[in-house]
Amino acid sequence: GAVVSQHPSRVICKSGTSVKIECRSLDFQATTMFWYRQFPKQSLMLMATSNEGSKATYEQGVEKDKFLINHASLTLSTLTVTSAHPEDSSFYICSARPPSDREGEQYFGPGTRLTVT
Amino acid sequence: GNSVTQMEGPVTLSEEAFLTINCTYTATGYPSLFWYVQYPGEGLQLLLKATKADDKGSNKGFEATYRKETTSFHLEKGSVQVSDSAVYFCALSVRAAGNKLTFGGGTRVLVKP
Repeated sequence: GAVVSQHPSRVICKSGTSVKIECRSLDFQATTMFWYRQFPKQSLMLMATSNEGSKATYEQGVEKDKFLINHASLTLSTLTVTSAHPEDSSFYICSARPPSDREGEQYFGPGTRLTVT
Repeated sequence: GNSVTQMEGPVTLSEEAFLTINCTYTATGYPSLFWYVQYPGEGLQLLLKATKADDKGSNKGFEATYRKETTSFHLEKGSVQVSDSAVYFCALSVRAAGNKLTFGGGTRVLVKP
């Protein structure tokens, strides 16, 4: 089946530092990956759509200079939280969609718990 | 725009009880419908899906039927187990909208032995 991994699974960083989260599709190529943020006991909020070889498309209200997304290959997308602050603490989830998919199904990574102290 | 509304939880059940989670949607275009499940501490997993009207998705004893006339995709399971305790998300995607997933708010289900 389609497997998506994320690394790290948990990270604690100090306020003002930057953190990079990796999302990999392990057994398929993904021209499109998505980054979500999930607050405790809430639904997923789409942050941006990452397209291989082009700039990410950010959802309204998401700061693109703060949440840098790079999709350098068909199996890897990275999210960098720059100058992190405690309010950036959250559960970040990525997903990937195979290029052959026509129905919108996405395969999700296990998530990364970011804590900013 | 596209939106998904599902019943708020938490839903607390005893083992072997019948589970229903209601989900309704609005969509511009013809959506595909999904149920995703999130077990504690994990990411989302696809539970089942349906891509056209009257299709029934099923998996692990769960079922949901795509009802275009009522714009609904209710999730059901006849006999739940403790291991079904999780958060369930109803979602839709529309090809014309780039196939982004639009999620409902999630329903937390707790099954007690």
